[in-house]
Amino acid sequence: QKEVEQNSGPLSVPEGAIASLNCTYSDRVSQSFFWYRQYSGKSPELIMSIYSNGDKEDGRFTAQLNKASQYVSLLIRDSQPSDSATYLCAVNLNYQLIWGAGTKLIIKP
Amino acid sequence: DADVTQTPRNRITKTGKRIMLECSQTKGHDRMYWYRQDPGLGLRLIYYSFDVKDINKGEISDGYSVSRQAQAKFSLSLESAIPNQTALYFCATSDLKGGGIGEQFFGPGTRLTVL
Repeated sequence: QKEVEQNSGPLSVPEGAIASLNCTYSDRVSQSFFWYRQYSGKSPELIMSIYSNGDKEDGRFTAQLNKASQYVSLLIRDSQPSDSATYLCAVNLNYQLIWGAGTKLIIKP
Repeated sequence: DADVTQTPRNRITKTGKRIMLECSQTKGHDRMYWYRQDPGLGLRLIYYSFDVKDINKGEISDGYSVSRQAQAKFSLSLESAIPNQTALYFCATSDLKGGGIGEQFFGPGTRLTVL
């Protein structure tokens, strides 16, 4: 079993709707969790970090963490075509980031 | 702007050749990383360095070596390139303070093809 798992997609969402991206991880020791966005042909960039159970909001983005169930999710409200990208989930384990393979999100105008 | 740069951006080479990929940063960060990205596999850590004298193997270090020449420079070498090392390679940095290990800043990537 991979340590960090994401549905590869593509996930297609109409413009203006909520996009929901999910990530599960296998190691209960993990304490910090990150969402990166990667546009096609570009490098990843950090968009959200979360360390505690519950929700963390930043603009149109909300990260949700449930340590008991070992999942972390990212919600994007009012989705825009510019949100079309691959979203990478990363988990801090033993001073390294362990990465999921990413979910490709397509926002349809 | 403080930045992370990688050279070359693209490289095509032949099996058995020695290749060096270079990374420089002007962010003043202590920590530097080398990753490779393959379709469907995500980012995998090759080597990481927390300072000039501290270099550590990552998940997939076999066939690679690194050199941390200065705080700002971290090079990745493929001593004898093989076709399954064809991938997109990223250098990244992070600050010991601030965001710590989770907030990593990536260079633009080097696309390496081994024939």
